[in-house]
Amino acid sequence: GIQVEQSPPDLILQEGANSTLRCNFSDSVNNLQWFHQNPWGQLINLFYIPSGTKQNGRLSATTVATERYSLLYISSSQTTDSGVYFCAVGTGANSKLTFGKGITLSVRP
Amino acid sequence: SAVISQKPSRDICQRGTSLTIQCQVDSQVTMMFWYRQQPGQSLTLIATANQGSEATYESGFVIDKFPISRPNLTFSTLTVSNMSPEDSSIYLCSVERGGAGELFFGEGSRLTVL
Repeated sequence: GIQVEQSPPDLILQEGANSTLRCNFSDSVNNLQWFHQNPWGQLINLFYIPSGTKQNGRLSATTVATERYSLLYISSSQTTDSGVYFCAVGTGANSKLTFGKGITLSVRP
Repeated sequence: SAVISQKPSRDICQRGTSLTIQCQVDSQVTMMFWYRQQPGQSLTLIATANQGSEATYESGFVIDKFPISRPNLTFSTLTVSNMSPEDSSIYLCSVERGGAGELFFGEGSRLTVL
């Protein structure tokens, strides 16, 4: 099946710093989503972005499908951004997602 | 987005018992998905639940251990049978909304097996 690799595995930032999270995948995809899992375990949808660029406030994402990677940008990080960020991809018509291992982000005040 | 409610939100269970997790969606959906997240790990798909047919299980998951019901287009249950400590996980229900394949997740059910 498709492989999804996220990097770096862990990231520590000072509040106010910017960061880039990367997701590489091994095959063509028709679905790519970024999620933030908060400390209570809930998955928050950040972006649905199988291709192109989107922005939502301090967050933006870019997927270059032909090169099989996606980037999540966090600007002016806040302590509430802490948690685990997952990239998940889908390759078929049935909406099943394969998740990467996640990136653990800690933003310190 | 979607409103997806799961019950229970958390539970502590004894070894050898079974627990049923409920997932209720605020509108009709064709497919519902059940995922498992073991401690410190990523999410793994257990099965896809279609209304009116048997659930489709992923490799490594079997119906006897994780029976699923899908009685209508807004509701599903996942049972974790004959639990062992290795079943301690967050179990999440998800649905596709918007027609483009975007998945939304319930808040999860955190199970601890003693």
